[in-house]
Amino acid sequence: RKEVEQDPGPFNVPEGATVAFNCTYSNSASQSFFWYRQDCRKEPKLLMSVYSSGNEDGRFTAQLNRASQYISLLIRDSKLSDSATYLCVVSPQGGYIPTFGRGTSLIVHP
Amino acid sequence: DAGITQSPRHKVTETGTPVTLRCHQTENHRYMYWYRQDPGHGLRLIHYSYGVKDTDKGEVSDGYSVSRSKTEDFLLTLESATSSQTSVYFCAISENAPSGRAIGELFFGEGSRLTVL
Repeated sequence: RKEVEQDPGPFNVPEGATVAFNCTYSNSASQSFFWYRQDCRKEPKLLMSVYSSGNEDGRFTAQLNRASQYISLLIRDSKLSDSATYLCVVSPQGGYIPTFGRGTSLIVHP
Repeated sequence: DAGITQSPRHKVTETGTPVTLRCHQTENHRYMYWYRQDPGHGLRLIHYSYGVKDTDKGEVSDGYSVSRSKTEDFLLTLESATSSQTSVYFCAISENAPSGRAIGELFFGEGSRLTVL
């Protein structure tokens, strides 16, 4: 079983739709969680850190479920510009090697 | 944006030649990483560094070596490039999270696109 798993998609949604991605992780000692966005042929950039209490930034909401060992990303009112690959990143407690999921592709169409 | 630059950004070379990619940071971050990204594989860790002269192998380290003689520079060397090393290479930096219990977010360079003919 991979340490961090994501559905590769693509998720093909119309503008204005709400879409959710999940990411499961296998290491119960994981401590830091992030969602990154990567545009085609560009470097990944931080979208959101994921906190135990959940957090929201505009149209984006991230949640952590430690019991079931997954994190989620919810995008409301999708925009064309949201089209990208979304990477889940998990870091262990006391460690400094983050583990990346392979990413989930989102395509928002008019 | 974090101060992290990669050079060269693009390189075409021939099989068997040595290649060195440079990652330079101005953030004084402790941790530095080299990844490669290929279709169908996502980001894969090649080598990483947790301090000056402190480096270790990642999951795809064969054929690569690294050096970190200064905090700000992390060099990735392909001693004898092969076509299988054609890829996009990303450098990333990080520091301990405020909690001190794990690392914080990673900042990536813009990538170095290497083609080995």
